[in-house]
Amino acid sequence: KAGVTQTPRYLIKTRGQQVTLSCSPISGHRSVSWYQQTPGQGLQFLFEYFSETQRNKGNFPGRFSGRQFSNSRSEMNVSTLELGDSALYLCASSSGTGWSGELFFGEGSRLTVL
Amino acid sequence: AQKITQTQPGMFVQEKEAVTLDCTYDTSDPSYGLFWYKQPSSGEMIFLIYQGSYDQQNATEGRYSLNFQKARKSANLVISASQLGDSAMYFCAMRDGTGTASKLTFGTGTRLQVTL
Repeated sequence: KAGVTQTPRYLIKTRGQQVTLSCSPISGHRSVSWYQQTPGQGLQFLFEYFSETQRNKGNFPGRFSGRQFSNSRSEMNVSTLELGDSALYLCASSSGTGWSGELFFGEGSRLTVL
Repeated sequence: AQKITQTQPGMFVQEKEAVTLDCTYDTSDPSYGLFWYKQPSSGEMIFLIYQGSYDQQNATEGRYSLNFQKARKSANLVISASQLGDSAMYFCAMRDGTGTASKLTFGTGTRLQVTL
């Protein structure tokens, strides 16, 4: 059973640019959530998508957005990049229908903003 | 608001010894779940163990066990017979009834180093 796949694994952007990250969940999982990990703020919840609808959102500015496709793959976009957006972005998938189960995380996309 | 506290930034343990990583939590919701994840240098978050607030017994998964003390709001991870491959960051996380199924609140983590 394939795990959660995130692409790209590493990327470098400059301030003001925008970036799109992709996440393919485990087959059969309908929920995809995104987390940002930085040395200063730790792991913070960005948003969750379930069956193509955003189900919950963390406290991030509107520059951070996402979407989910009918095959459950998800993308997140960050516009007008700032230096502080440099982070490891982790995607997690779950069945989304019962919250006692664990989340399965991908290896992350490491974004560097110069 | 829910909160997770991990007070040990770093821990050392000798190979084959047991180690306890501390985690305390705060929530006003009676229904919640507690998780431990391992994050090696590669970045991937690896699920280790889960404890539900209504579970009567402490969770165990192989060499991992969760020492759940509900009244003290603590959920310590115990790793028995440490191995060199256990060296990594360990995160405690909580999901409670105020959020959706997949929103976790994480602690700041504990870096575990296993030595020979």
